[in-house]
This record gives sequence, structure tokens and C-alpha cells, in this order.
Amino acid sequence: DIQMTQSPSAMSASVGDRVTITCRASQGISKYLAWIQQKPGKVPKRLIYTASTLQSGVPSRFSGSGSGTEFTLTISSLQPEDFATYYCLQHYSYPWTFGQGTKVEIK
Amino acid sequence: EVQLVESGGDLIQPGGSLRLSCAASGFSVSSDYMTWVRQAPGKGLEWVSVTYSDENTHYADSVKGRFTISRDNSKNTLYLQMNSLRVDDTAVYYCASGSVGDWGQGTLVTVSS
Repeated sequence: DIQMTQSPSAMSASVGDRVTITCRASQGISKYLAWIQQKPGKVPKRLIYTASTLQSGVPSRFSGSGSGTEFTLTISSLQPEDFATYYCLQHYSYPWTFGQGTKVEIK
Repeated sequence: EVQLVESGGDLIQPGGSLRLSCAASGFSVSSDYMTWVRQAPGKGLEWVSVTYSDENTHYADSVKGRFTISRDNSKNTLYLQMNSLRVDDTAVYYCASGSVGDWGQGTLVTVSS
């Protein structure tokens, strides 16, 4: 199974900060990676697919990059509505696997 | 507009069976691959299963042999048949289209005696 390791597991940040979350795959997954946002008590929402393609309707402050084993989700200027938990998902091989999540909290 | 609506979650005893449904609108479940994802209380997301339009299916090791994913194209509905349920199957179950592009609101399955 491919292990997806996110870092950090949690972080505190202020509105306006640039935030970077990393996801590392235990083996190469090409660009078969999605980033998902989940706010407390809410349904998850895909932000990015194929590593760097922005989902329709998602603000342009979100961006994704990477391929192979290392991927990054960047929020260029953190907004109050961005405080949430973020997950990466690889769908390159079975079983698909999520990262453990990164909780972004208010500093 | 794509909509996915899950139903069928319930409180069930260990060893029991349950079938979840996911009714789709705004697109055809036969035209895309469909996924089930679950989330145990206070935990992260866990992929459960996927089915393709050619009927090819795949499962997480934790549910293989106990869960079966299927679809009824005439009803535009995805299903998850869950047998031999265990306490650690307790979770909110979400259906999603493709590589989790659209999500349903989730349905809660509680396995407890």
C-alpha cells in the first residue's frame, strides 16, 4: 500500500499568512493526487485534482504543485474561512490512501 | 448541478448487515467512477471502495470480503452492501463521484451492541 504522509499534522497561522502543507508518497504516484478541505461538521470538499488543477469555484489563493512523491498545497493569503483540516488523497494505485490530515488553526 | 444523497445509515449490532444508498442527480452514475469514503468519529478520511463503469471494483483491505459496491443505472443510484459489521466500521459514510470531485452529505452507521 502507498503511505501518504502529511506535514505538519497541525499548525497555527494568522489571517494573511502564506501556508504550505506537504504530502509525501511512499512511492511514485505521478500526478494522481487530490487535496481536500474539511471544515468542522461539514462535508469534505475537493480543492485541487491531478496535483495542480484548481477545482471550479475554488479561490485562486489555493494552489497545488508536485509530482512523483512530493506534493504541496499552498494558500497564498490565509482567510478566516480557510481554517479547516486538509487531506491529500492518492488515487494512483489500490487501495487509494489519504494522508492523516493537517489541521490549520487560528493563531 | 450534481447532487448525491446518501441514505440507509442506522444503529446496528455487530455481525449485522446494512445497505447504504447514494442517489445521484445532475449526472449519470454509469458515466463516471464512483467512490465510498468513510470517517470514524473524530478521525480522518478513509477510502472504502470504488466502482467503474465497466463493473470493475476495488476495496480497502479492512472491508474486503465484507462490503460490496454496486450500482443501479436505471435508478441512478450507488450502493454499498455491508455485511459482518464490526464496531470499528462505525463512521459517517460518504459517496463521491470520480476522484472525490463531488460528495454527498454522508450517512451515519453506528455498530454497537
